[in-house]
Amino acid sequence: AAGVIQSPRHLIKEKRETATLKCYPIPRHDTVYWYQQGPGQDPQFLISFYEKMQSDKGSIPDRFSAQQFSDYHSELNMSSLELGDSALYFCASSLGGTSGTDTQYFGPGTRLTVL
Amino acid sequence: QKEVEQNSGPLSVPEGAIASLNCTYSDRVSQSFFWYRQYSGKSPELIMSIYSNGDKEDGRFTAQLNKASQYVSLLIRDSQPSDSATYLCAVAGGTSYGKLTFGQGTILTVHP
Repeated sequence: AAGVIQSPRHLIKEKRETATLKCYPIPRHDTVYWYQQGPGQDPQFLISFYEKMQSDKGSIPDRFSAQQFSDYHSELNMSSLELGDSALYFCASSLGGTSGTDTQYFGPGTRLTVL
Repeated sequence: QKEVEQNSGPLSVPEGAIASLNCTYSDRVSQSFFWYRQYSGKSPELIMSIYSNGDKEDGRFTAQLNKASQYVSLLIRDSQPSDSATYLCAVAGGTSYGKLTFGQGTILTVHP
């Protein structure tokens, strides 16, 4: 079965640079969630989209922005990168909106390292 | 206080034993409860989902939910070394809408 695809899998950036992370949800899934997981921490919710509209926002810095496109893929744009942004970034997709009852399937993640 | 709390680990059990993982949550109107398994550096993998009070069994795994006590647990029977991982309890719905709120995770080690 098709899974969530994330690219790139690994990314190394310098401080103050920008980064773009991409997420391709499972086919027919209309909802995308972004999570950040720092070393030794649990995943923290950043932002979500349902039917190409932002549906919820968590602890996402103002330096970050995201959107969902017409083909339902999503991109997380990160600017003015800081050392503390180094983390695993997961995208998850589900079908049916943000009621909270739908199972979220996680992508393999993007490991971002900021030097 | 974290919104989702898991029993402190790490938890070590011998192969073949039952591993018991516990989780409490603070948002009384939460609707959906999930257990994810995460290997180091990998993404969370769904083990079980449960929405109603009571038990739900799937193979060697049993999830238990008690909404009155705001408590959810996961039992792993006949534990195998391959079960060694971090287990994340996650809660969604209610005031959290669709986003998952995770507990801090419990590291499980199954030794031969």
